[in-house]
Amino acid sequence: QQPVQSPQAVILREGEDAVINCSSSKALYSVHWYRQKHGEAPVFLMILLKGGEQKGHDKISASFNEKKQQSSLYLTASQLSYSGTYFCGTEIGTAGNKLTFGGGTRVLVKP
Amino acid sequence: NAGVMQNPRHLVRRRGQEARLRCSPMKGHSHVYWYRQLPEEGLKFMVYLQKENIIDESGMPKERFSAEFPKEGPSILRIQQVVRGDSAAYFCASSPLELAGSYNEQFFGPGTRLTVL
Repeated sequence: QQPVQSPQAVILREGEDAVINCSSSKALYSVHWYRQKHGEAPVFLMILLKGGEQKGHDKISASFNEKKQQSSLYLTASQLSYSGTYFCGTEIGTAGNKLTFGGGTRVLVKP
Repeated sequence: NAGVMQNPRHLVRRRGQEARLRCSPMKGHSHVYWYRQLPEEGLKFMVYLQKENIIDESGMPKERFSAEFPKEGPSILRIQQVVRGDSAAYFCASSPLELAGSYNEQFFGPGTRLTVL
């Protein structure tokens, strides 16, 4: 079952903040975040493991609430380059399994 | 260090023909994942392979689709007798995963956009 992302879309002015959420009904091993621009490949942003470890982009932050099986991605002081579709991918069991992706959140940052 | 490479980037086939999509993982990566993305939709897992082994093919259609990752050379996703519904972007991702319990970062290639006429 795929994770649920919210909101589906958000429009920001440059410099504003936004939060994107990703919820799963299953116990997760990890959550991965990607950004995809139209016609391009998804670009890895962050990975968060159960237990609190995380690894990723210097200017992007995220959290993983294991009790709720929910992850949040924080876009702070957004830049024009943050525009794109953000996907969360969830991994169950242990490292090395497939990722199940959410439906995506479209982000548009305007000047 | 070159990233994940896929070719061709665009592929046009007529109904009934075969499509072969190639993926060369990043140097040092021995795990390959294939995902399909329909227009304006998310990524759907198809198959996970290690060298010479299929680890998880739970997302592969039962007919017409096959994948391999030989000891030498790229991973191949093969679609036989293509139909219009196969038109999509096919992405491959590779991972350096070595030990269970470690990070499984998956890095995506540029994708192959398949159009079936």
